Amino acid sequence: GQNIDQPTEMTATEGAIVQINCTYQTSGFNGLFWYQQHAGEAPTFLSYNVLDGLEEKGRFSSFLSRSKGYSYLLLKELQMKDSASYLCAGMDSNYQLIWGAGTKLIIKP
Amino acid sequence: GAVVSQHPSWVICKSGTSVKIECRSLDFQATTMFWYRQFPKQSLMLMATSNEGSKATYEQGVEKDKFLINHASLTLSTLTVTSAHPEDSSFYICSARVGTGDAETQYFGPGTRLLVL
Repeated sequence: GQNIDQPTEMTATEGAIVQINCTYQTSGFNGLFWYQQHAGEAPTFLSYNVLDGLEEKGRFSSFLSRSKGYSYLLLKELQMKDSASYLCAGMDSNYQLIWGAGTKLIIKP
Repeated sequence: GAVVSQHPSWVICKSGTSVKIECRSLDFQATTMFWYRQFPKQSLMLMATSNEGSKATYEQGVEKDKFLINHASLTLSTLTVTSAHPEDSSFYICSARVGTGDAETQYFGPGTRLLVL
């Protein structure tokens, strides 16, 4: 079956670095997405990886290893506004999204 | 875990026809479902909030007469794109909400790709 696993909740300190891991099993693979979702708002696109490696975009970076079925989202210089849920979603061979349940990130001062 | 399904996965239709997309919560009940539209590598754009037994709440700029939403039961919401045109071609994603406040969780469907010729 198809599955996405990510931690339910993580806590980090303002100014620090946090890595949110995601493992996936999909029927075929057409890329992996990361979204940020604040409570009561629609998910915001953060990144899309389809090739192995690290993609950096400002304070946020996303990594993919297709052989391991693994991705992570790295957030640097954490700010209080980064407190949100982070959703990992894999796209299968039919271009359908398989969603993780989301990781709730709590930032403490 | 909670599963949300969408049907169909893909639909190709001629301009002027209407298309119905179903969103189902398979193993839980959801009083609130959301319909989103996504353009490639962009954020999900909330179209409307679907409430069981009442009228949907549409976001600004979304035509309610064009995108008909029906939430007839606690496990099913439908989005009908009426008189579809090529500009309606997109990836439509639904989600179902459970819980409230800090305990609120959204479960997303796999999406429906619509191509209007």
